[in-house]
Amino acid sequence: QLQLQESGPGLVKPSETLSLTCTVSGGSISSSSYYWGWIRQPPGKGLEWIGSIYYSGSTYYNPSLKSRVTISVDTSKNQFSLKLSSVTAADTAVYYCARVDIVLVRGGFDPWGQGTLVTVSS
Amino acid sequence: EIVLTQSPGTLSLSPGERATLSCRASQSVSSSYLAWYQQKPGQAPRLLIYGASSRATGIPDRFSGSGSGTDFTLTISRLEPEDFAVYYCQQYGSSPLWTFGQGTKLEIK
Repeated sequence: QLQLQESGPGLVKPSETLSLTCTVSGGSISSSSYYWGWIRQPPGKGLEWIGSIYYSGSTYYNPSLKSRVTISVDTSKNQFSLKLSSVTAADTAVYYCARVDIVLVRGGFDPWGQGTLVTVSS
Repeated sequence: EIVLTQSPGTLSLSPGERATLSCRASQSVSSSYLAWYQQKPGQAPRLLIYGASSRATGIPDRFSGSGSGTDFTLTISRLEPEDFAVYYCQQYGSSPLWTFGQGTKLEIK
């Protein structure tokens, strides 16, 4: 059973870089069938797609965040990572990682990690 | 840029009733790349429906999806107590490549 787990600092100072890692277990991140994505949810608000990556390293970003986002993959560790630079309080959110299956579930995210709350504050 | 608009924002119903949730896209969603998720407080979203009408693994058959093009519907035939949650639609394919609706809160009347 595939599982994803987010990890990283829960508190980041304004103007600094938020860094999170998603560790995939129970399956290989190198499978050609899947993409891997980051989604965030500010407290009490809806879901926002941040970006996605293929095991080969191809990346796709939300245009609204593209200038600040970098997503990378480490196949040797079965992990992918998110970096969001120049953060402000508006970046405070629960950050989720998830698998994306373009073919079988038509671009749906499944499964998801449990999420990790990142607060931006001095 | 595609925008998904869900209605209503909040839906108040009683257990046993039928729920109909709407998701309207600002442009056509290609090849029915439309999914629905359920999210309960403190939990990650759970995939319910993909391809507009296919149930994800383990999802009860009281959940059904329909629609194409720009208009999609999630129907819960008979509400169970555990169905009261927030529901999101999501599309894949148009810029931004993945987009979520703003959500519909299904609450107990």
